[in-house]
Order: sequence, then C-alpha cells, then structure tokens
Amino acid sequence: DQQVKQNSPSLSVQEGRISILNCDYTNSMFDYFLWYKKYPAEGPTFLISISSIKDKNEDGRFTVFLNKSAKHLSLHIVPSQPGDSAVYFCAASAGNRDDKIIFGKGTRLHILP
Amino acid sequence: GAGVSQSPSNKVTEKGKDVELRCDPISGHTALYWYRQSLGQGLEFLIYFQGNSAPDKSGLPSDRFSAERTGGSVSTLTIQRTQQEDSAVYLCASSLSRGGGNEQFFGPGTRLTVL
Repeated sequence: DQQVKQNSPSLSVQEGRISILNCDYTNSMFDYFLWYKKYPAEGPTFLISISSIKDKNEDGRFTVFLNKSAKHLSLHIVPSQPGDSAVYFCAASAGNRDDKIIFGKGTRLHILP
Repeated sequence: GAGVSQSPSNKVTEKGKDVELRCDPISGHTALYWYRQSLGQGLEFLIYFQGNSAPDKSGLPSDRFSAERTGGSVSTLTIQRTQQEDSAVYLCASSLSRGGGNEQFFGPGTRLTVL
C-alpha cells in the first residue's frame, strides 16, 4: 500500500530544458510535502517543501506545485543543469498528527548534454 | 561534526551473524530516524526517536531488528541473525524536532550486504 507514488522510475531531459518530476499521494491527511535529492553513495538532501495551505513554492530554479484535489504534486527544475542528475524522492507527512515522513520510490533524472 | 555521520560505510556479513550500525546525529537534533533502502525501492521507515519519549518502532520489519539511542545522541541499529533480504542501504536522519515541518538531514548510509 504505497501512500506516496512516483510512477516514473527515470526521466531524461536535455540540458537547459525544463524537468518535471511527478508525485501522487493517497492519504488525504498529508499536509506537508518535501522533495529530496540523492546522489550515489550519499544520503538524500532536502531540496524544497510545500505546505498544504499553498499551491506553489519557488526557490531559485526549483518550483513545487501542489494540487490537493488531485492529490498530486510536481517538481519543476528550469533550466536543467548537468548537476541536477540524481534520484529525486517525493515525501509527505501529516504534520503534527503523524510525524513519520513517507517517501516515494524515487525518480532518477538524467540531464543530457 | 557538521552533519549526520554513520559507520561503517560498508558492511559485508554472513547470513546468521549479528550486525550493529551506528549513527551520530547533528548536535542538538532531538529527533532521529532510521530508514532502509533496498534495491529499486524507496526509503522504508524503520524507527524513530524523539527526546525522552518511547521510540516509534512501527516500521521495524521483524523482532531481529532493534535500535537504541543513548543519552539522546548516538544511535545503534542492531540486526540479529541477518538474512539475505536484510541487504540494503541503511540511512539515518536527524531533525530539530518532530513534525512534518522539520526537514531531516540524512547521513551517507551504511551499505549492508548479507552473503
């Protein structure tokens, strides 16, 4: 029973173009969403988050969009750079109700030269 | 140190042996989490500690798995009588406190291989 789903195991994007990583969730109690980035042989690092009271959060080249009615969020990276090649994990939690953060399986992003 | 550290970075063991994995969280972080990532899978929650509260062990896959956190700092994850399906990367994370609004900082992980 996966509560956080990343249905694309991998994605290839040309350098300079926009990368869009998608994530769906099933638990309507989730109210806080995070994206983590992971390089090989390293632990995940926090990238960007969004609270359910917002539908968009932007930080430099990274923007996260949240569609609560569709239980869907996406991470946009523009322009994509070679250093963005990594595995991206979507994660969600129900805030103070249940602080366990549930992770998706990840999407491997390849930025092509 | 500045970040979360884990040791060893790699561990190869024989089926049936016990292993101990160590995590040093960021100083001052009251919450500590253990996850594991098996091949092709996401991050599977195992256990977390928050201050002096009883740990949430709901993610431990079997009674062969246990964890301690001494003095509210260092944590040890112990796997007894290891099985081949225990092979995975074990990740530790810490955060300032519990709650979804507190980002977790991850260590580099321990890659466990059970032969």
